[in-house]
Amino acid sequence: EPEVTQTPSHQVTQMGQEVILRCVPISNHLYFYWYRQILGQKVEFLVSFYNNEISEKSEIFDDQFSVERPDGSNFTLKIRSTKLEDSAMYFCASSEAKSRNEQFFGPGTRLTVL
Amino acid sequence: AQKITQTQPGMFVQEKEAVTLDCTYDTSDPSYGLFWYKQPSSGEMIFLIYQGSYDQQNATEGRYSLNFQKARKSANLVISASQLGDSAMYFCAMREMDGIQGAQKLVFGQGTRLTINP
Repeated sequence: EPEVTQTPSHQVTQMGQEVILRCVPISNHLYFYWYRQILGQKVEFLVSFYNNEISEKSEIFDDQFSVERPDGSNFTLKIRSTKLEDSAMYFCASSEAKSRNEQFFGPGTRLTVL
Repeated sequence: AQKITQTQPGMFVQEKEAVTLDCTYDTSDPSYGLFWYKQPSSGEMIFLIYQGSYDQQNATEGRYSLNFQKARKSANLVISASQLGDSAMYFCAMREMDGIQGAQKLVFGQGTRLTINP
């Protein structure tokens, strides 16, 4: 069964460093998303992406964040200068172009900012 | 603005019993979808069940069913014959359709931690 994959599973970084979180969505999906979950809290939407551009972004997704689909398979989230409060689990999700649009989530990347 | 409320931070149930996890939502959009996800301690998000606002019947997927009461704006998850492996965090989520296909965000509730006791 096809699945969304994410690398790395855990990333530790120093405050102020840039990180890139990588995702490979399901191959025939057209819509891509990033969510984050701070430990013990609910899952929050960050950004959605379709047709090589951002469809919607939340107020969390400020100028420090960017997304890219550098090739036909990867979808990346970059945080330019990490802050302590960026420590969270980051989930990538994808969906296909059908009315139900069930979103399939990857296993997540746990980002720890020291 | 969308809002999802899960009022039960924790639930404890005996194995083999049925359990109902509550979810209420608030939206002004007539067209929306409701989802339930399971998050075990390993952290991944596992899709369980979906209910569309225009669906005439309550959704069912194996031991999972969704008690959809549109007038009350509730979408409770019912797990029948609970198993030890059902112990996890459960999130209710909603997506408004607003006539646009595709990339629409999910808004999640705070979650309910379900513990199944042997």
